[in-house]
Amino acid sequence: ETGVTQTPRHLVMGMTNKKSLKCEQHLGHNAMYWYKQSAKKPLELMFVYNFKEQTENNSVPSRFSPECPNSSHLFLHLHTLQPEDSALYLCASSQETSPRSDTQYFGPGTRLTVL
Amino acid sequence: GENVEQHPSTLSVQEGDSAVIKCTYSDSASNYFPWYKQELGKRPQLIIDIRSNVGEKKDQRIAVTLNKTAKHFSLHITETQPEDSAVYFCAASTTGSARQLTFGSGTQLTVLP
Repeated sequence: ETGVTQTPRHLVMGMTNKKSLKCEQHLGHNAMYWYKQSAKKPLELMFVYNFKEQTENNSVPSRFSPECPNSSHLFLHLHTLQPEDSALYLCASSQETSPRSDTQYFGPGTRLTVL
Repeated sequence: GENVEQHPSTLSVQEGDSAVIKCTYSDSASNYFPWYKQELGKRPQLIIDIRSNVGEKKDQRIAVTLNKTAKHFSLHITETQPEDSAVYFCAASTTGSARQLTFGSGTQLTVLP
């Protein structure tokens, strides 16, 4: 499946490091999302971009900084993370045609471990 | 905001039996209800969804029912097979400029051979 790709697939970083996660969608969609998936917790929506504009920021700490340079690419910049930020970070995309929204397609995720 | 509760958290069934997973939601304005399947180490994948203008939708061995009055919806899997073993997530959202899905906590389904 190559519709939504994410790199890297695995990342180990120290609390003082700065790293970035990358997501790319090849589906021609206009909305992209970042989710956090922790063990035994529901998928948590972090950020939403619609037509490259950030439309939602669900109370995410500032140590997570998203960037959406165009409708096909989405980044999540990480700095001074905490061990509790260790999780699977999933990117998704969808085609938004107001008032109807369509299915979200997920990438394979980046497994992040913060030491 | 929307709150979605999902039950049970774990479910074991014998191969060939049926499995039912239930979700409730809090926001009466929600009108889109997808179900995702996530196999171990893989991405969540949409298996079926339902919109609020219908009460039931079926796709081969999978069906979803929606009761808007009671604000609950259910996933039904018939004739279960070992490859149905996975974590299943329900979600709910309202129509908007970009869909904000609120997910349930997931159900680990194990189909025993």
